[in-house]
Amino acid sequence: GNSVTQMEGPVTLSEEAFLTINCTYTATGYPSLFWYVQYPGEGLQLLLKATKADDKGSNKGFEATYRKETTSFHLEKGSVQVSDSAVYFCALSDPGGDYKLSFGAGTTVTVRA
Amino acid sequence: SAVISQKPSRDICQRGTSLTIQCQVDSQVTMMFWYRQQPGQSLTLIATANQGSEATYESGFVIDKFPISRPNLTFSTLTVSNMSPEDSSIYLCSVVEMNTEAFFGQGTRLTVV
Repeated sequence: GNSVTQMEGPVTLSEEAFLTINCTYTATGYPSLFWYVQYPGEGLQLLLKATKADDKGSNKGFEATYRKETTSFHLEKGSVQVSDSAVYFCALSDPGGDYKLSFGAGTTVTVRA
Repeated sequence: SAVISQKPSRDICQRGTSLTIQCQVDSQVTMMFWYRQQPGQSLTLIATANQGSEATYESGFVIDKFPISRPNLTFSTLTVSNMSPEDSSIYLCSVVEMNTEAFFGQGTRLTVV
């Protein structure tokens, strides 16, 4: 079945530091890949996505590239801010196109001023 | 994007009772899902809510425990039946709009005592 393995947290960084959160997946076929973010006290929201190999999703300074050869979708940001403190979830949707999502464990990121 | 209203936002319930959670969307959506997020864990798909027919449950979830209704394209309910402390979780409604991406409600934080 489908599964997502995500870097364990928590991660604590200083402002302007570089952030990477590793994500690898197992799926049959070619899933779509997502990063969702959950800010403190808020609901889950889509951060970025990629639907095919070599696609790069980007939003709010975050980027992730769909790497089919390594089955990975690592999230990166070059310079984090305190406002980036949140829980980040890597997810994939079933290649069958039914939009069921399989989530990674989530990574809690705290950015200190 | 679809606006999702989930009620109640939180509740504390006695073991052995049942709670019905409502999910209302401000537009017609093609697909609706219910997820569970147990304390400190990731999201797990409970079922796909099918309009006008029985929900499709994932492995480990059964209709007797989590009955779901979806009478139209904008509304669904999830009932957590005969609750025990292990059912304490955040329950989230998710919708897919125009076959694009999944959006999530704010969630219902359930505590069973």
